Amino acid sequence: NAGVTQTPKFQVLKTGQSMTLQCAQDMNHNSMYWYRQDPGMGLRLIYYSASEGTTDKGEVPNGYNVSRLNKREFSLRLESAAPSQTSVYFCASTDPVGNIQYFGAGTRLSVL
Amino acid sequence: SQQGEEDPQALSIQEGENATMNCSYKTSINNLQWYRQNSGRGLVHLILIRSNEREKHSGRLRVTLDTSKKSSSLLITASRAADTASYFCATDDNQGGKLIFGQGTELSVKP
Repeated sequence: NAGVTQTPKFQVLKTGQSMTLQCAQDMNHNSMYWYRQDPGMGLRLIYYSASEGTTDKGEVPNGYNVSRLNKREFSLRLESAAPSQTSVYFCASTDPVGNIQYFGAGTRLSVL
Repeated sequence: SQQGEEDPQALSIQEGENATMNCSYKTSINNLQWYRQNSGRGLVHLILIRSNEREKHSGRLRVTLDTSKKSSSLLITASRAADTASYFCATDDNQGGKLIFGQGTELSVKP
């Protein structure tokens, strides 16, 4: 059981470049989430998906898009990266019974 | 907006001492959870306490919840150097299972 797998682990982009962060879970969870973590800010929710085929905005969705490709996969896309998007990005999925979230190891993104 | 606010932001103690972290929140909750994050890693769930519970134990962890004060505390007894990490409280928003995380307490346990 791999749990929640994120790729890539590290990425450096130039301003204006695009990229997609990938996330997959093998726990058959319905709900999946994307967060960003900045120093002193805790985790802030970017987008979430309560079930396959649905997505909703979180607290800080501007500059991002998401795709819930199937029950396992939830990707986050930066169409035109900005330095303000330099952060650590975490994907998580939820155990529906206890509402416990399981996190990936994170993607460390720098936008120059 | 962040629901949970944690206190202190940083805590440094010696091995063997107890560590207490506090969390305050603003709105009604279904449950409150505590997570741990080691440096460079994702968050790991530690313990969940429901709104109708006042205290819960798991190994060296003790969590209390006071819904009248909208606050919770996490006590780690007999701390070890391996407990060095950041600790976050998280509350659900009563809407579809999303969690709102606090800013975290950075705990350093010195051997």
